[in-house]
Amino acid sequence: NAGVIQTPRHKVTGKGQEATLWCEPISGHSAVFWYRQTIVQGLEFLTYFRNQAPIDDSGMPKERFSAQMPNQSHSTLKIQSTQPQDSAVYLCASSLRENTGQLYFGEGSKLTVL
Amino acid sequence: GDSVTQTEGPVTVSESESLIINCTYSATSIAYPNLFWYVRYPGEGLQLLLKVITAGQKGSSRGFEATYNKETTSFHLQKASVQESDSAVYYCALGDQPNSGTYQRFGTGTKLQVVP
Repeated sequence: NAGVIQTPRHKVTGKGQEATLWCEPISGHSAVFWYRQTIVQGLEFLTYFRNQAPIDDSGMPKERFSAQMPNQSHSTLKIQSTQPQDSAVYLCASSLRENTGQLYFGEGSKLTVL
Repeated sequence: GDSVTQTEGPVTVSESESLIINCTYSATSIAYPNLFWYVRYPGEGLQLLLKVITAGQKGSSRGFEATYNKETTSFHLQKASVQESDSAVYYCALGDQPNSGTYQRFGTGTKLQVVP
């Protein structure tokens, strides 16, 4: 019974490079969420999908960040021209239906931008 | 806006002592707040600890309890006697009804260290 799988677990990029993070939600879950975790801000909502369709991306920085869900088995978060302030743990979560109460989180992808 | 404020960590407690981690919420656009506590143990992913969706009710799990108080807009996490294995980061979260089309909002997290 696999949980939410996120890859890579750790990624180090140089300033200005691109970073792509992958998430495989739990099979059968229709909602997929992306959060960013930092010490200062805690868990910040970025975006979410319902049945692969983007529903709310109000938390996404308008420039450089994009998310897609090309099929029900994976979602990607892409950060172009990474900056040191993008360094964080990026968490993906899925749920049977959005906001039913239990989000199932992956272990996160720790991004370090040098 | 809708937000959550919780005890700023780190919090250090001696084993067998009692614990309270405060959580208050603001739900300006959420008509029927649902409240949650999540926990992240060292080396593990974030997981649900307990949830309460009805005001006035209490949730409990693993010896922890939290009561949804609508009057004080609070959802404090309590445990009578902590153990070293409770050392983790705890997050309070605010959500809406199922299928509301919104997302859960989290506090900044409280790191708990239980010492022998």
